[in-house]
Amino acid sequence: GQQLNQSPQSMFIQEGEDVSMNCTSSSIFNTWLWYKQDPGEGPVLLIALYKAGELTSNGRLTAQFGITRKDSFLNISASIPSDVGIYFCAGRYTGTASKLTFGTGTRLQVTL
Amino acid sequence: GAVVSQHPSWVICKSGTSVKIECRSLDFQATTMFWYRQFPKQSLMLMATSNEGSKATYEQGVEKDKFLINHASLTLSTLTVTSAHPEDSSFYICSARVPSGRGDTQYFGPGTRLTVL
Repeated sequence: GQQLNQSPQSMFIQEGEDVSMNCTSSSIFNTWLWYKQDPGEGPVLLIALYKAGELTSNGRLTAQFGITRKDSFLNISASIPSDVGIYFCAGRYTGTASKLTFGTGTRLQVTL
Repeated sequence: GAVVSQHPSWVICKSGTSVKIECRSLDFQATTMFWYRQFPKQSLMLMATSNEGSKATYEQGVEKDKFLINHASLTLSTLTVTSAHPEDSSFYICSARVPSGRGDTQYFGPGTRLTVL
């Protein structure tokens, strides 16, 4: 199945630093979702975006739906150790009956 | 957010046996659920879409006779891995579609780790 390009693949950062990751697609999406997955767990929804240009925050997290509808980014401000995990973007194409296509994931590790 | 549960959380079985995994929406009704498979250090790959009261829709390359899906009620979908083999060992995760005024989201269960010996 198709996957979205997500970058970076992994990153080590220090506690307190800001983090930025993005997702790009060759096709237009009408929905972008960002999830966080801890080891051995299912993904947890962080932010949902439904409109091109939309900027949405959830605590220290901010995500944007790209104007071209082919990309999205997620920012985490002032990272803390519990931010460690794998972050996935997921997009839905128009007319695909709610099916999601997932990104390749960004593994975030935070050092003290 | 909406709560989705899965049972069992892990299962070990012998090659050739069948394993059933349950996915339940706990505080809402889900007309559509999805089944994903995730191999180590990889992303989630959609296997099939489970629709309440109708046949599941399988993604290309997924054998419908091997991965049987039943969505008999608005809160329960089951995935049965028939005649399991070691290559079927994986992390299986279900999700439920939750519509809202702005659009759909999907909430995921905690996953089921299947190990086939």
